[in-house]
Amino acid sequence: DIQMTQSPSSLSASVGDRVTITCRASQSISTFLNWFQQKPGKAPKLLIYPASTLQSGVPSRFSGSGSGTDFALTISSLHPEDFATYYCQQSYTTPPTFGQGTKVEIK
Amino acid sequence: EVQLVESGGGLVQPGGSLKLSCAASGFTFSGFAMHWVRQASGKGLEWIGRIRSKANNYATAYGASVRGRFTISRDDSKNTAYLQMESLKTEDTAVYYCSRPTDFGDFPLGDWGQGILVIVSS
Repeated sequence: DIQMTQSPSSLSASVGDRVTITCRASQSISTFLNWFQQKPGKAPKLLIYPASTLQSGVPSRFSGSGSGTDFALTISSLHPEDFATYYCQQSYTTPPTFGQGTKVEIK
Repeated sequence: EVQLVESGGGLVQPGGSLKLSCAASGFTFSGFAMHWVRQASGKGLEWIGRIRSKANNYATAYGASVRGRFTISRDDSKNTAYLQMESLKTEDTAVYYCSRPTDFGDFPLGDWGQGILVIVSS
């Protein structure tokens, strides 16, 4: 199985900060990389796929980049509603695998 | 509006069985693959498996931790997907989500149910 490793596991940031979360695959996955946001008690929400396309309705402050094994999710200016846990997921091979998550907390 | 509603969760003893349902509405259910994903309390997301559409021969695939114990099926006439869970273990305790891709492929998973809690405990 392809291992997905996110960094950092958690971070503290302030409203208005620029935040970048990275995701590394254990082998090349081209651009078959999806990003999700999850808030406590809620289902995951698709933000970006594959690698850099914004899902409909997702604010433009979110962006994704990368290919091969290294990817990034950037929030250009944190809003209060962005405090959540973010997951990357590869859909290059079966089984699709998720990163362990990055929790974005309020500083 | 796409809606996915899971049901059938609850408390079950180790070694027992449980069948979850995912009732879908707001889209042409028969044309889409359906997936199940779970999340143990305080943990990350784990893909359980998927079933493709009739056009793709209802092909199924499973994650290693559930293969041979869990079975995904669907009834297109009822717009419902199912997750039959057998030989349950305490480590199967989790919130279970059904999910639908955004288009006619397998991914990405664009729509999710609210989740249903399964507790495996004696």
